[in-house]
Amino acid sequence: QVTVKESGPALVKSTETLTLTCTFSGFSLTTTGMRVSWIRQPPGKALEWLARIDWDDDKFYSTSLQTRLTISKDTSKNQVVLTMTNMDPVDTATYYCARTPGVKTYFDFWGQGTLVTVSS
Amino acid sequence: DIQMTQSPSSLSASVGDRVTITCRASQSINRYLNWYQQKPGKAPELLIYAASSLHSGVPSRFSGSGSGTDFSLTISGLQPEDFATYYCQQGDSPLWTFGQGTKVEIK
Repeated sequence: QVTVKESGPALVKSTETLTLTCTFSGFSLTTTGMRVSWIRQPPGKALEWLARIDWDDDKFYSTSLQTRLTISKDTSKNQVVLTMTNMDPVDTATYYCARTPGVKTYFDFWGQGTLVTVSS
Repeated sequence: DIQMTQSPSSLSASVGDRVTITCRASQSINRYLNWYQQKPGKAPELLIYAASSLHSGVPSRFSGSGSGTDFSLTISGLQPEDFATYYCQQGDSPLWTFGQGTKVEIK
């Protein structure tokens, strides 16, 4: 059974660095083709793909945010970590972690999301 | 980055209606197009992948079509539980992107 869960601070201040952790079970990021992404959604707005890390440690970032994002994995803990620097109130959003299986390009399992509010 | 444009942004429909949502890519994405349903306060759920393949457990009233730059999601016989927001997402380029969403509301 696949589960995905996000964790991190609910509140951060402007200019601070946000660190979010995705903890998953039921699959391994050592399996060929496996991928994990971070996606966010500001209140009342659309989904925005942020970053992805693949089983072979390839990493991909949204062009608009790439200078602020770092994604990494700890396969021993079944975790993926996203850091976002220089947070701003416009970064207030629900942040989701999602799995992509077998060298596919869709998200089949999502976490429940974690709401991060950035205060000015 | 590849831009995804959905239309309409919102629509009103009645139970039993046939509803079609379109998604256009700024360049060809072959058939690397996926559709998700999102209900308020919940994470999105995969409906359709690779333009027309129905994800496990998704009712057959949902269908997808298209290739290249133009795609559509059709709900044949709208049910009360289908009132939600729908998103397309491309996976052709290494950098994935979503459409802006289409909200399906009750008429």
